[in-house]
Amino acid sequence: QVQLQESGPGLVKPSETLSLTCTVSGGSVSSGSYYWSWIRQPPGKGLEWIGYVYYNGGTNYNPSLKSRVTISVDSSKNQFSLKLTSVTAADTAIYYCARLLVGVKGVDYWGQGTLVTVSS
Amino acid sequence: EIVLTQSPGTLSLSPGERATLSCRASQSVSSSYLAWYQQKPGRAPRLLIYGASSRATGIPDRFSGSGSGTDFTLTISRLEPEDFAVYYCQQYGSSPPLSFGGGTTVEIK
Repeated sequence: QVQLQESGPGLVKPSETLSLTCTVSGGSVSSGSYYWSWIRQPPGKGLEWIGYVYYNGGTNYNPSLKSRVTISVDSSKNQFSLKLTSVTAADTAIYYCARLLVGVKGVDYWGQGTLVTVSS
Repeated sequence: EIVLTQSPGTLSLSPGERATLSCRASQSVSSSYLAWYQQKPGRAPRLLIYGASSRATGIPDRFSGSGSGTDFTLTISRLEPEDFAVYYCQQYGSSPPLSFGGGTTVEIK
């Protein structure tokens, strides 16, 4: 059974960098069948796609966040990571890591989500 | 930029009734890349439908998807108590490469 687990600080100060890691078990980030994704959801609001990384390090980002986002993959640890720079209160959200199927472009596995609050 | 608009915002129905949820795109979306999700409070979303009409693994057949171009529909034939939740549509393909609709809440009447 595939499982994804987010980890990282739950509180980040304004203007600093948000860093999260997703550890994948029961599957491999080295598979060419998936895009490893980050999606966020402000409390009480809808879903926003942040971006994804492919097993070879290729990336695709939401244009609205592209200037601040870096997603990378570490196959030796079976993990992928998110960095979001210059955060503001508007970046407060539940952050999900997720597995996006290359073939049908649907997300079949999600992490449980981690709440990141931006506050001084 | 493709915008997905879901309607209605809230659907108030009783168990056993039929639910029809709409997802309209501002530009044509490939049917191959239109998905639907269910989200319950405090939980991650769950994939219901991909490719506009294919049920994901383990999804009951009371859930069905249809549509093409700019108009897509999720139908729940007979609502069960566990179906009351928020539903999102999602597209892949155009700027932004991936996006979600704003969601429809199906609540108990």
